[in-house]
Amino acid sequence: DVKVTQSSRYLVKRTGEKVFLECVQDMDHENMFWYRQDPGLGLRLIYFSYDVKMKEKGDIPEGYSVSREKKERFSLILESASTNQTSMYLCASRPFFTGIEGNQPQHFGDGTRLSIL
Amino acid sequence: AQTVTQSQPEMSVQEAETVTLSCTYDTSESDYYLFWYKQPPSRQMILVIRQEAYKQQNATENRFSVNFQKAAKSFSLKISDSQLGDAAMYFCAYRSALDAGNMLTFGGGTRLMVKP
Repeated sequence: DVKVTQSSRYLVKRTGEKVFLECVQDMDHENMFWYRQDPGLGLRLIYFSYDVKMKEKGDIPEGYSVSREKKERFSLILESASTNQTSMYLCASRPFFTGIEGNQPQHFGDGTRLSIL
Repeated sequence: AQTVTQSQPEMSVQEAETVTLSCTYDTSESDYYLFWYKQPPSRQMILVIRQEAYKQQNATENRFSVNFQKAAKSFSLKISDSQLGDAAMYFCAYRSALDAGNMLTFGGGTRLMVKP
C-alpha cells in the first residue's frame, strides 16, 4: 500500500512565524500535491510538483512556497504565517501515468490541522 | 477552468438504506476522469470509485455505484445498503485527461450521516 506521511497531525504557530509542513511518500511517485481544506470549499490546490526541484502553482499559492529536494519529500512553507492560513492541510502523491493509466488516483496523507494564533 | 459542484452540504441515511450524493461539473473538454473520495473522521482521504469519461458504462465497486451522465455533466454516487462505516465527508473530483500535472478539482464536499 502507498503510504503518505505528514509530519504533524496538529500544529499551533504564531502570526509571523515561518512554518514548515513536511510530507513523505514511500512509493517513488513523481507527482506530489499540497491542498488546503476548508468547510464548504472542499480541497483547493496550493502547489504541486511533478519532479524533483520542479514546482507549479495551484489555485491559491499566495503566502505559500514549496520545496522538493528529494523525490519522496515535498515541503510546504508558510513564509510569514497569518491567521487566515488556519486550516487543514493535505498532502497527496500519484505516479505520473498518462494514457490508459490516467485514471490513477491520488493518495493522501492524514492531514495537518494548523492553527495560527 | 473546470468547476465541480456538490449541492448537498449534508445528507443522512438510515442504516441499510440507499442514498445518492449529487455532483455536477463544468468543463469544455471531452476527455477526463471523475472520482469520488471518502474522508472518514480519521481524516485520511481514500478513493471510493472512479469513472473515465470515454466509458459509457457506469462504474461499480461493491455497494458503490455511479450514475454518469456526460451530456448533463452529472456524476452522482449511490451507496446501497448503507453501513455505519460509510459516515464520512464525500468529495467529488475532476481531472482533465490533458493535464500532465494530474491536478484534481474538488467539489465542496457532502457530509453523510448514517443513522442506526
